[in-house]
Amino acid sequence: GDSVTQMEGPVTLSEEAFLTINCTYTATGYPSLFWYVQYPGEGLQLLLKATKADDKGSNKGFEATYRKETTSFHLEKGSVQVSDSAVYFCALRGSGTYKYIFGTGTRLKVLA
Amino acid sequence: GAGVSQSPSNKVTEKGKDVELRCDPISGHTALYWYRQSLGQGLEFLIYFQGNSAPDKSGLPSDRFSAERTGGSVSTLTIQRTQQEDSAVYLCASSLGGSWNTGELFFGEGSRLTVL
Repeated sequence: GDSVTQMEGPVTLSEEAFLTINCTYTATGYPSLFWYVQYPGEGLQLLLKATKADDKGSNKGFEATYRKETTSFHLEKGSVQVSDSAVYFCALRGSGTYKYIFGTGTRLKVLA
Repeated sequence: GAGVSQSPSNKVTEKGKDVELRCDPISGHTALYWYRQSLGQGLEFLIYFQGNSAPDKSGLPSDRFSAERTGGSVSTLTIQRTQQEDSAVYLCASSLGGSWNTGELFFGEGSRLTVL
């Protein structure tokens, strides 16, 4: 079945450092790919998405490119801030389905 | 309200008791999902509703778990004879559903269940 694998955390960075959180997936067809973020004490919210190969999703300085050849959707940000400290979840929705499959989440801690 | 509302936010119960968790989705959202988030685990899919029907109950862990949705709106997740391994955060999410679905799930803040 479909699955998502993302790097384990926690990831600890200094402010203004470059961030990469790896995410790879297994799915048939052409899934839609998502990154959700959960800030402390809040519910999950959509950060960005991409619905077809080579699409780049972006929001709040974060980017991720849908790479079908490597089945990846890595999350990147050029300069992180303390306020980016949160848990990040990679997810997919298989083509023609309603089910969203989530990764285990990666906790990011940014130090001032 | 504007967002997905879940209640209770925290529930502590004794092993063997029944619990009910409630989700009030965003008005007009026809799709509703329940997920379970255990410590150190990802989000585990439990059940999906489209309107009042549940075409996919495959994620419910056992027959102690059941869910219903009435009026195409509020949903209740019921866990009977709770066990300690049921301790987790239960998340509800809703979306527009249908061909116009943007793909975005809107999550509630969750119900944290602790079974003693």
